[in-house]
Amino acid sequence: NAGVTQTPKFQVLKTGQSMTLQCAQDMNHNSMYWYRQDPGMGLRLIYYSASEGTTDKGEVPNGYNVSRLNKREFSLRLESAAPSQTSVYFCASSERGASGANVLTFGAGSRLTVL
Amino acid sequence: AQSVTQPDIHITVSEGASLELRCNYSYGATPYLFWYVQSPGQGLQLLLKYFSGDTLVQGIKGFEAEFKRSQSSFNLRKPSVHWSDAAEYFCAVGGATNKLIFGTGTLLAVQP
Repeated sequence: NAGVTQTPKFQVLKTGQSMTLQCAQDMNHNSMYWYRQDPGMGLRLIYYSASEGTTDKGEVPNGYNVSRLNKREFSLRLESAAPSQTSVYFCASSERGASGANVLTFGAGSRLTVL
Repeated sequence: AQSVTQPDIHITVSEGASLELRCNYSYGATPYLFWYVQSPGQGLQLLLKYFSGDTLVQGIKGFEAEFKRSQSSFNLRKPSVHWSDAAEYFCAVGGATNKLIFGTGTLLAVQP
């Protein structure tokens, strides 16, 4: 029962390099999310996808792009990495329950360092 | 504006002592409230949630939380802390939209 799987777990980049973080979920959830976690700032939403074929900006979208490849997969791309993007990135997925609330299930995280 | 405040950045308790972690929120509509726990190097695990009904909710690992609308609070409690409870705890608020807003977290240390 894998849940939400993120790759890679660790990555070191040089300023200006590009990379893609991959995320896949096997729970048949409609919605998927990318958050970043920085010390003292909690988790901040970068982008989310309410359903396959749609994506929307969150609180901190600048410098990132996303692709909802299919219902299972939601990738996050850094086109030109900057040191300010050094962070731990979490992917999550959710399904809206009968109450109307989304309960998020998180992946284990991807630690990215930009030099 | 929608926000979550966790006023305690770092708390230390002795093993066996009681615990209360504070959470205050600002949300324009009916809130859905959550507590998540993060162990070092791990993702976030859902402890408990409140959607409606009984304002005292029970979660996993012996945790509970009480929703107080008049105080805009959703504090997390545990009567007797175990060393394995040492972790970072996040309060979050959401609504009918997909966006979940997190607090900045409270880091719990447990002394033997």
